[in-house]
Amino acid sequence: GNSVTQMEGPVTLSEEAFLTINCTYTATGYPSLFWYVQYPGEGLQLLLKATKADDKGSNKGFEATYRKETTSFHLEKGSVQVSDSAVYFCALTMNSGGSNYKLTFGKGTLLTVNP
Amino acid sequence: ETGVTQTPRHLVMGMTNKKSLKCEQHLGHNAMYWYKQSAKKPLELMFVYSLEERVENNSVPSRFSPECPNSSHLFLHLHTLQPEDSALYLCASSQAIPSGGAAPDTQYFGPGTRLTVL
Repeated sequence: GNSVTQMEGPVTLSEEAFLTINCTYTATGYPSLFWYVQYPGEGLQLLLKATKADDKGSNKGFEATYRKETTSFHLEKGSVQVSDSAVYFCALTMNSGGSNYKLTFGKGTLLTVNP
Repeated sequence: ETGVTQTPRHLVMGMTNKKSLKCEQHLGHNAMYWYKQSAKKPLELMFVYSLEERVENNSVPSRFSPECPNSSHLFLHLHTLQPEDSALYLCASSQAIPSGGAAPDTQYFGPGTRLTVL
């Protein structure tokens, strides 16, 4: 079956530090890849997505590139802010077949940014 | 604010109680979802509705009973729950269930209901 593995947290950084959260996936076929963010006390929000190999998703200074050769979709940000403190989820869904609405999530990575 | 609201935000219930969770979306979407978020586990898809018809029932125990009276509202009826059912229950909606090889629609999540079963 499909699966998503993301780095264990928590991750603690100082403001303006560089962020990388690793995500790798296993899928039979060609998935779309997503990063969702969950701020404290809130539901999940879509942060960015990529639907095919070599696509780069970007939003709010975050970026992730769909790497088919390494089955990865690592999340990066050049300079984090305190307001980026949240839980980040990597997820995939298949682009074909009858299951292209089923999101498979990683376990989430808690990011804390200190001033 | 994502356009998906859930009530109540917090719920504490005993194992013999019956309660319901409510989700409402104001986005004009046709598909709605229930997820369970437990500590240290990935989100689990529970149920999916498309145009008020259930299209997914992911091996969920019968003590969880979904209801979708129209495309804007989704309920999760709870009865005789177990302590291990304590979790954050998230509702989501999307424009539609994509057909064939169409690209997946973005799912928009509500804030969740934090359920504690005593």
